[in-house]
Amino acid sequence: GENVEQHPSTLSVQEGDSAVIKCTYSDSASNYFPWYKQELGKGPQLIIDIRSNVGEKKDQRIAVTLNKTAKHFSLHITETQPEDSAVYFCAAQKGGFQKLVFGTGTRLLVSP
Amino acid sequence: GAVVSQHPSRVICKSGTSVKIECRSLDFQATTMFWYRQFPKQSLMLMATSNEGSKATYEQGVEKDKFLINHASLTLSTLTVTSAHPEDSSFYICSAIGQPDGYTFGSGTRLTVV
Repeated sequence: GENVEQHPSTLSVQEGDSAVIKCTYSDSASNYFPWYKQELGKGPQLIIDIRSNVGEKKDQRIAVTLNKTAKHFSLHITETQPEDSAVYFCAAQKGGFQKLVFGTGTRLLVSP
Repeated sequence: GAVVSQHPSRVICKSGTSVKIECRSLDFQATTMFWYRQFPKQSLMLMATSNEGSKATYEQGVEKDKFLINHASLTLSTLTVTSAHPEDSSFYICSAIGQPDGYTFGSGTRLTVV
C-alpha cells in the first residue's frame, strides 16, 4: 500500500522567513496530493492541493510543487506569520473516492 | 464551501459505557465518509471507510465490534465506541466526500474514558 514520509517533524522559523516541508510517496498510482493545517484540538483544514498533471500550484503565500518522477512533493510558505504556527500534514491519494494516506506531520513554529 | 459537522466536540464517559459520535455533511451528500483516530502529537490513523447503505470497511487491526459505524443516510455517519475503556481515549475525526477528491473534515471529538 501507499506510504507517505514527511520531513522535518518540527520546524522553527522567524517571522518573515520561508518554510519548506517535504513529503515522499511510494505508490506511483497516487495522483492527488493535498496539504492540511491542523490547529490544536481541531480537525485538519485543507490549505492547498495539487494533482499529478500539474507541477506547481500557488495561492498567495503558499505554494506546492510536485515531482512525479522522484515521487516528491513539497509545501512552501513564504513571509511566515505567527498565525501560521500549527501542525501541517501532507497526504496522497489515488483519486476518486479512495482513502487519503497521511504523512507523519510537521510542527511549524513561527516566532515573532 | 462544504461543511462537515461533528458532535460532540468533547465527551467524558465512564469505563464500560458506550459513546456515539455523529458526523453530518451539512450542504452536500456524502456517499463516503472516513473515520480517523489521532493520538497526541501523531498523525491521523484511518479506522474505517463508511459507505452509505452498506457495511463499513475497517482497517487492519481495528475492532469492528468495538467501533461500530453506521452510515444510514447520505448526510449522516455515526461512530459508536462500545464498552469504552481508558485506552480508547483519543481524538476522533470524521471526513466526508461529496465529489471525487473533495474531502472535508469535521472538527473532531475528544473522548476521555475515566
